[in-house]
Amino acid sequence: GQNIDQPTEMTATEGAIVQINCTYQTSGFNGLFWYQQHAGEAPTFLSYNVLDGLEEKGRFSSFLSRSKGYSYLLLKELQMKDSASYLCAVSRASGGSYIPTFGRGTSLIVHP
Amino acid sequence: DAGVTQSPTHLIKTRGQQVTLRCSPISGHKSVSWYQQVLGQGPQFIFQYYEKEERGRGNFPDRFSARQFPNYSSELNVNALLLGDSALYLCASSQKTEGYGYTFGSGTRLTVV
Repeated sequence: GQNIDQPTEMTATEGAIVQINCTYQTSGFNGLFWYQQHAGEAPTFLSYNVLDGLEEKGRFSSFLSRSKGYSYLLLKELQMKDSASYLCAVSRASGGSYIPTFGRGTSLIVHP
Repeated sequence: DAGVTQSPTHLIKTRGQQVTLRCSPISGHKSVSWYQQVLGQGPQFIFQYYEKEERGRGNFPDRFSARQFPNYSSELNVNALLLGDSALYLCASSQKTEGYGYTFGSGTRLTVV
């Protein structure tokens, strides 16, 4: 089976930095995704980590440690529009396919 | 280019009824996956199809079924609806079966009363 754990809710101030952690246990690990989902909307792709290390993309960065089963999403210079749910998803090989399994999501609230 | 389109956007059904949800992937995408998202939870995997064949199935009862057509569009069917089936049903398409490059549709909001 799989277990993906991320905090339920976080709050931060506009302009600040926030780190959202995700820990996972799974077999056949292939990679880890982060998605952003605004209320009532579809999830949108943020990042995909396959190898250990930090991947930076503008204000957003994502880190992966395969040996520790750990990832984080780092959001810098927070803006009000960053208030959303952030979904950690683990991709695992299954029967010739790769199936992303999502965590519960972390609801981020950005205050002025 | 059109994104992933799902229909209908909203639906209200009665317990025991059957429902069919539709998804059209991005042009050129051959893989379609279905997810169920209950309010406050992450999306739960239901099915994955690639080249009209089922490639993966999540832990959902046999009341849930799906298929993919030659044009790569897909339908999700749910029989004998229960109140607990009320959720947002998301369709995601990608060129292959890797999750990288998944693009989600806006979903179908199903309410069972």
